[in-house]
Amino acid sequence: EAEVAQSPRYKITEKSQAVAFWCDPISGHATLYWYRQILGQGPELLVQFQDESVVDDSQLPKDRFSAERLKGVDSTLKIQPAELGDSAMYLCASSGRGVHEQYFGPGTRLTVT
Amino acid sequence: SQQGEEDPQALSIQEGENATMNCSYKTSINNLQWYRQNSGRGLVHLILIRSNEREKHSGRLRVTLDTSKKSSSLLITASRAADTASYFCATDDQAGTALIFGKGTTLSVSS
Repeated sequence: EAEVAQSPRYKITEKSQAVAFWCDPISGHATLYWYRQILGQGPELLVQFQDESVVDDSQLPKDRFSAERLKGVDSTLKIQPAELGDSAMYLCASSGRGVHEQYFGPGTRLTVT
Repeated sequence: SQQGEEDPQALSIQEGENATMNCSYKTSINNLQWYRQNSGRGLVHLILIRSNEREKHSGRLRVTLDTSKKSSSLLITASRAADTASYFCATDDQAGTALIFGKGTTLSVSS
């Protein structure tokens, strides 16, 4: 069964360092989402791509976060510089064109020290 | 911001019992989905119910939707230890594309 791949699974970084997460969606899925999930909360959308275009990045802290999906396939989310409050689970999800159900990857657990 | 609010926040039951969790939301929706998340893992889609549907079944899951009350419920019948997880309701945003999740209900099923 096709799955969304994410790496790394765990990342520990020091405050002010740069960190990057990678996501490979299910093949053929046009829409890709990055969510941030703080412990005890539900996921919150950071950015949504349709193919290679950003559809919604209104909740992305653009002073330190950036996201790209250059060829409309895999995607990278970057944080620079990382802050203590960025410690969270970063989830990637994808969905087919016109389909509401989203398929999630296993997530990257980020700890900023 | 979070649209859905699940209730209760935590639920502990014995294997074989039924588990019911509720979700309330604030604005009109096109559809509502329920997802499960095992500890420290990604979310798994369980079921989607459209705004013009009142009830939907999938295996041991039963979902109801009351758009007049802006609420939904998820019933898991004959629960198993493997059902132990967090359950989230999610509604579509104003653009109808991204999901807005609630804070979730943590279900513990003991054998």
